[in-house]
Amino acid sequence: ETGVTQSPTHLIKTRGQQVTLRCSSQSGHNTVSWYQQALGQGPQFIFQYYREEENGRGNFPPRFSGLQFPNYSSELNVNALELDDSALYLCASSLDPQGRETQYFGPGTRLLVL
Amino acid sequence: KNQVEQSPQSLIILEGKNCTLQCNYTVSPFSNLRWYKQDTGRGPVSLTIMTFSENTKSNGRYTATLDADTKQSSLHITASQLSDSASYICVVKQSNYQLIWGAGTKLIIKP
Repeated sequence: ETGVTQSPTHLIKTRGQQVTLRCSSQSGHNTVSWYQQALGQGPQFIFQYYREEENGRGNFPPRFSGLQFPNYSSELNVNALELDDSALYLCASSLDPQGRETQYFGPGTRLLVL
Repeated sequence: KNQVEQSPQSLIILEGKNCTLQCNYTVSPFSNLRWYKQDTGRGPVSLTIMTFSENTKSNGRYTATLDADTKQSSLHITASQLSDSASYICVVKQSNYQLIWGAGTKLIIKP
């Protein structure tokens, strides 16, 4: 166990709906990154939060947004869901926003969009 | 284009045998290279992180090598166990926050 938890574990939504995924980082970790992993592919970087501010973003549209709270837990929000948003969403926490320290991943939230 | 390519795509070996997974990258500027193990439906677990100056790093039965000149890395697994069945993903970090992920090698260990 890495100490990183995510909720919910599974979720089914329909096209056009909105979804919020949650992540609790490992104790003391101030950096949280979110990834989207389609079946059979490697994770794709969505964005990273460091001390409550977004400090890096991958190639995802603005309907993917996030938050980090003072306790360093984080949310990923996706608006106007599309079928291609179906994937495993992973969050990872670390002590270092520059990526010099190990990232610890949560178990993921599997999202299915119908 | 920044890319990480892994080979083979999948591999089946017998329990107790050794195997080597390959990773070639074209990512620049380079910061570090990581190997992760990912069980089906679970989050990745870090095995090793290597910087430009490191050639070899071990973690138990896992040994990673890095040749920064040829931009190649390998992950060697010794005396494989059934629990080694998983996807192994090579990830290269640029000198900013960006991580470039490979598609992974799916390893199956048969008894």
